[in-house]
Amino acid sequence: DVKVTQSSRYLVKRTGEKVFLECVQDMDHENMFWYRQDPGLGLRLIYFSYDVKMKEKGDIPEGYSVSREKKERFSLILESASTNQTSMYLCASSLYWGRATDTQYFGPGTRLTVL
Amino acid sequence: TQLLEQSPQFLSIQEGENLTVYCNSSSVFSSLQWYRQEPGEGPVLLVTVVTGGEVKKLKRLTFQFGDARKDSSLHITAAQTGDTGLYLCAGGRNTDDYKLSFGAGTTVTVRA
Repeated sequence: DVKVTQSSRYLVKRTGEKVFLECVQDMDHENMFWYRQDPGLGLRLIYFSYDVKMKEKGDIPEGYSVSREKKERFSLILESASTNQTSMYLCASSLYWGRATDTQYFGPGTRLTVL
Repeated sequence: TQLLEQSPQFLSIQEGENLTVYCNSSSVFSSLQWYRQEPGEGPVLLVTVVTGGEVKKLKRLTFQFGDARKDSSLHITAAQTGDTGLYLCAGGRNTDDYKLSFGAGTTVTVRA
């Protein structure tokens, strides 16, 4: 079974702090995603990576950056956390590139609160 | 504004009853997926539909993709408490594009 793990289930940070969210997948998938999930808004794509060191902006990249130095690991960075970044963050991975029909495997999520 | 509108937003039913969740759009999608997310977990894919009018069955769950590929429905027969969760639809606009547009979800609660 594909397993996607996220470093923290809950995180509380202060405004202005630099925040790192880590995601690891164990199935040698090419693609990895970062989403945020907010009530009434569904999942919104922040960033997508299709290979090591390769990334594409999603729908809401402002205030975020990402890093993918190894195939299995994809990090989301909040350079200076703000209260409007309080949310559930979900990481996902998939095998094929460029196919909306591909299965995305999600991690359990990190609930981030910025005070 | 959501590209995919899901209704109802919340649904609470008794075990054994049937339910239907809807996913509608004014846009055409090349594919549509349904995910279920249980509390404290990430979404898990239930089904992918790609052909207008397509019907897929997964045990007590029946998924339908509209003829015009603008809408979809999920019907659960004889709901069980294990069906409780957030049901999300996600559409792909283009065959060769990885991006999905997610609906806001329907929270289903099945009472024992």
